[in-house]
Amino acid sequence: AQSVTQLGSHVSVSEGALVLLRCNYSSSVPPYLFWYVQYPNQGLQLLLKYTSAATLVKGINGFEAEFKKSETSFHLTKPSAHMSDAAEYFCAVIPKAAGNKLTFGGGTRVLVKP
Amino acid sequence: GAGVSQSPRYKVAKRGQDVALRCDPISGHVSLFWYQQALGQGPEFLTYFQNEAQLDKSGLPSDRFFAERPEGSVSTLKIQRTQQEDSAVYLCASSLARDRGSDFGPGTRLLVL
Repeated sequence: AQSVTQLGSHVSVSEGALVLLRCNYSSSVPPYLFWYVQYPNQGLQLLLKYTSAATLVKGINGFEAEFKKSETSFHLTKPSAHMSDAAEYFCAVIPKAAGNKLTFGGGTRVLVKP
Repeated sequence: GAGVSQSPRYKVAKRGQDVALRCDPISGHVSLFWYQQALGQGPEFLTYFQNEAQLDKSGLPSDRFFAERPEGSVSTLKIQRTQQEDSAVYLCASSLARDRGSDFGPGTRLLVL
């Protein structure tokens, strides 16, 4: 079964510093890959997705992610953190072969220090 | 345009009570999903509809959980004889295509006392 691993359940960064959130998937065939953000007491909002085009994907709010097949990774970055980036971030996958449901990682909570 | 909406946003139930959670997907989205999110964890898949057909219910934790989407639009997740372990946020999502991801509603937070 497909699995998603997010390294680090909590990340603390200073305002203006680089944000790096790690995501690795388990399948030998690259799936569709997604990053979602969840603010307190809200649903999930799609940040960006990789479907098979460019390996560097740009999303909303200044985030981007790079797909690396050799590392089975899809890490999320933002060059300069804002206070408003404090939230929980989820990596998720859908297998390309079949299926529609998202399989999520455990999430990474980001704290931004002033 | 209007996103996915869910009601109620919060529900407190006594153990043993039945509850019904409603989801209004984005108009035109044929795929609808229910997920369960326990505190501090990622969402876990419960069930999937394509139009009115329930194609996958492999994630439903027990036969106390039942979902329907009779006209291919609004969906209801029903939990019978609620237990404390059912306390979670229930998220509904709808989708236009597999490679577009899903649009999520705000969730219903269920607390079973």
